[in-house]
Amino acid sequence: AQKVTQAQTEISVVEKEDVTLDCVYETRDTTYYLFWYKQPPSGELVFLIRRNSFDEQNEISGRYSWNFQKSTSSFNFTITASQVVDSAVYFCALSFYGQNFVFGPGTRLSVLP
Amino acid sequence: DTGVSQDPRHKITKRGQNVTFRCDPISEHNRLYWYRQTLGQGPEFLTYFQNEAQLEKSRLLSDRFSAERPKGSFSTLEIQRTEQGDSAMYLCASSHTSGKVYEQYFGPGTRLTVT
Repeated sequence: AQKVTQAQTEISVVEKEDVTLDCVYETRDTTYYLFWYKQPPSGELVFLIRRNSFDEQNEISGRYSWNFQKSTSSFNFTITASQVVDSAVYFCALSFYGQNFVFGPGTRLSVLP
Repeated sequence: DTGVSQDPRHKITKRGQNVTFRCDPISEHNRLYWYRQTLGQGPEFLTYFQNEAQLEKSRLLSDRFSAERPKGSFSTLEIQRTEQGDSAMYLCASSHTSGKVYEQYFGPGTRLTVT
């Protein structure tokens, strides 16, 4: 069975601090996709990043970066120089070729001015 | 607006009544997903379509729930004989199987309250 764990329920940081959101997943599939989504107070889920399991190269996109380690089944997400507008609930998700997405319970991030 | 739209945005119903929700995906997207989200939880997968074919249903989906996507465009989710435990946000998402693979775009959701 597939499972996604986000151990951090809530995180508070002060604006301009860097923050890392943790995600650990379980799957028996050898090929899969991992995602991060953001759900701001307005409620609509927004796609942020995607990584497939056969590409462990970590990347940076603007203020976002991610660290995918297959050996530890982790897919952590970092926001650099956080801003108040980053305040939201962040979800990590796992999917086998776009089927049966499994979402984690979410991490609520509060960025204080 | 070319995003995913859902109708209605809010629905209040009495226990035992049937309700139907509609989702209009992004026009070129061939996959459409339904999720349920309760307060403080992540979205829970219900079912998904590729074009008009329903390819997967969650084991958690009781037989009171049915979904259709008759022409491979919009979809409807019907809940029969609603129960208080059905109160949740029902989310629709769409994606394409080529190009930006499996990136799901979500609608604003339909909030269901069963009294």
